[in-house]
Amino acid sequence: DVKVTQSSRYLVKRTGEKVFLECVQDMDHENMFWYRQDPGLGLRLIYFSYDVKMKEKGDIPEGYSVSREKKERFSLILESASTNQTSMYLCASRGTVLYEQYFGPGTRLTVT
Amino acid sequence: KNEVEQSPQNLTAQEGEFITINCSYSVGISALHWLQQHPGGGIVSLFMLSSGKKKHGRLIATINIQEKHSSLHITASHPRDSAVYICAVNSGGSNYKLTFGKGTLLTVNP
Repeated sequence: DVKVTQSSRYLVKRTGEKVFLECVQDMDHENMFWYRQDPGLGLRLIYFSYDVKMKEKGDIPEGYSVSREKKERFSLILESASTNQTSMYLCASRGTVLYEQYFGPGTRLTVT
Repeated sequence: KNEVEQSPQNLTAQEGEFITINCSYSVGISALHWLQQHPGGGIVSLFMLSSGKKKHGRLIATINIQEKHSSLHITASHPRDSAVYICAVNSGGSNYKLTFGKGTLLTVNP
């Protein structure tokens, strides 16, 4: 079974802090994704990586950056956290043969 | 208008009832996904389909490409089926980007 893990289930940070969210997958998948999920808005794509060191902006990349130095690990970085970045963050991975995405358990981030 | 619309937004059923959740989309797609999210939990992929019908246990997913419509059916519903069900599509030309519906909250009472 594919396993996608995220570094924290719950995180509380202060406005202005730099925040790192880490995601690791164990299936040698090329594609990895970061989403945020908000009530009434559903899931929205922040960034996508199709290979090591390769990334593409999603629908809402502003205020975020990403890093993919190793195939199994995809990090989401909030350079200066703001209260409007309080949300559930979900990581996912996918191979290049099947379209099915595998999601991590999510990180609920609160910025105060 | 969202590219992916789900109905209903909320659904309450009694245990044992047959449940249908609908998904309509407005773009050409290469695949449609049904996902399940339990409260506080991660998201699990239930089905991925591009035509016809798929069945897994008590769950059945159908898609009509011409009508741009898909349904998720749950037979003999159970309280453990209570979750948010999300429809998502790979729109044409993109085999990686998913566009999501806003989800249907299903509550099955004993």
